[in-house]
Amino acid sequence: KQEVTQIPAALSVPEGENLVLNCSFTDSAIYNLQWFRQDPGKGLTSLLLIQSSQREQTSGRLNASLDKSSGRSTLYIAASQPGDSATYLCAVEGPTGGGADGLTFGKGTHLIIQP
Amino acid sequence: NAGVTQTPKFQVLKTGQSMTLQCAQDMNHNSMYWYRQDPGMGLRLIYYSASEGTTDKGEVPNGYNVSRLNKREFSLRLESAAPSQTSVYFCASSVITGTDFYEQYFGPGTRLTVT
Repeated sequence: KQEVTQIPAALSVPEGENLVLNCSFTDSAIYNLQWFRQDPGKGLTSLLLIQSSQREQTSGRLNASLDKSSGRSTLYIAASQPGDSATYLCAVEGPTGGGADGLTFGKGTHLIIQP
Repeated sequence: NAGVTQTPKFQVLKTGQSMTLQCAQDMNHNSMYWYRQDPGMGLRLIYYSASEGTTDKGEVPNGYNVSRLNKREFSLRLESAAPSQTSVYFCASSVITGTDFYEQYFGPGTRLTVT
């Protein structure tokens, strides 16, 4: 059974710092990996999707990398801002494929950016 | 373009009552999903529907039934609610073509309390 772990569980940093959130998964036979943002009491907003054949994806100040063989992904946030405060979730699709597994989620990293 | 919508947003039930959670998407996606989110557990897949007319169990299907009414709508029914079903329920949709997977888009969630 696929398991996804996110480290750290919580992180508090001053505004302006660059930071890295980590995600690891136990079965490397994934189809894609998705990073989400969740604000308190809200739904999930997709940030980045990395297909299994890709190594990284970038969107604005966000960069996500994927190393399938080692079962790891990182989300890099540059020049953090208070508006980045949220819970960040990592999720993988697979290994069965065809949508049969849905997404397997980590428990998230709760991020606070101090003004 | 509303994306994924869910009704109701909040619901309180008594043990043994029944209810149906509604979900609809206007993105012409073929696959739809129901997840539940519990503190300390992350999101877990309840049921999914790869296409209209098909449904399959996910990780935690017990106590739930689903109906894929048409391509747009996917409902989740609790026949006899139990306190263990107190949770936040999210509906999601995506496009799947063969082995190609795309982003999952999530609704805002339904917060259900069973007393």
